[in-house]
Amino acid sequence: DAGVTQSPTHLIKTRGQQVTLRCSPKSGHDTVSWYQQALGQGPQFIFQYYEEEERQRGNFPDRFSGHQFPNYSSELNVNALLLGDSALYLCASSLRRTQAHEQFFGPGTRLTVL
Amino acid sequence: EDKVVQSPLSLVVHEGDTVTLNCSYEVTNFRSLLWYKQEKKAPTFLFMLTSSGIEKKSGRLSSILDKKELFSILNITATQTGDSAVYLCAVNAGGTSYGKLTFGQGTILTVHP
Repeated sequence: DAGVTQSPTHLIKTRGQQVTLRCSPKSGHDTVSWYQQALGQGPQFIFQYYEEEERQRGNFPDRFSGHQFPNYSSELNVNALLLGDSALYLCASSLRRTQAHEQFFGPGTRLTVL
Repeated sequence: EDKVVQSPLSLVVHEGDTVTLNCSYEVTNFRSLLWYKQEKKAPTFLFMLTSSGIEKKSGRLSSILDKKELFSILNITATQTGDSAVYLCAVNAGGTSYGKLTFGQGTILTVHP
């Protein structure tokens, strides 16, 4: 049973550039959430996708956008990168009908903005 | 705004010691509280708690939730060096926050041989 996968593993960009991160959910899951984890901090919720629509959004600017595909995989796009966007980006998948909404995390993408 | 606070922020112990990690929360429409262990990158799921007073146990790890006092504890007995990690507590809310996990800052546990 494949778990949550993310690509790429590491990424280095410069300020002002754009980046796309990818996530494939655990088999059987239909909901994907994205989190940003700065060094020494807990993950911060960015947004969640279900049925190809953004269902929830955290306190992140519009530079952060996403997409979910019919096969439930998802992308996170960040435009006009800032130094402060350097972080570990985690994708989590879950099954929406599970009442308590347990989430399983992928290995993350480490983004460095220079 | 939903809030999760963990304590202590860091802990250093020796193998064989017992540790207790704390998590308190303020959240509207509480659904569940989750504990994760993060060693390198991906947080790995430990426990999900929804009912107050019922202990969840897995080997040397156990956790309990107090919904009246709004906190949870994670106990690790007979610690091993492999328990060294960041332990994250997260709360899952309902209503308009359905599906969003709010995390605490984490507790860094270091176990020395």
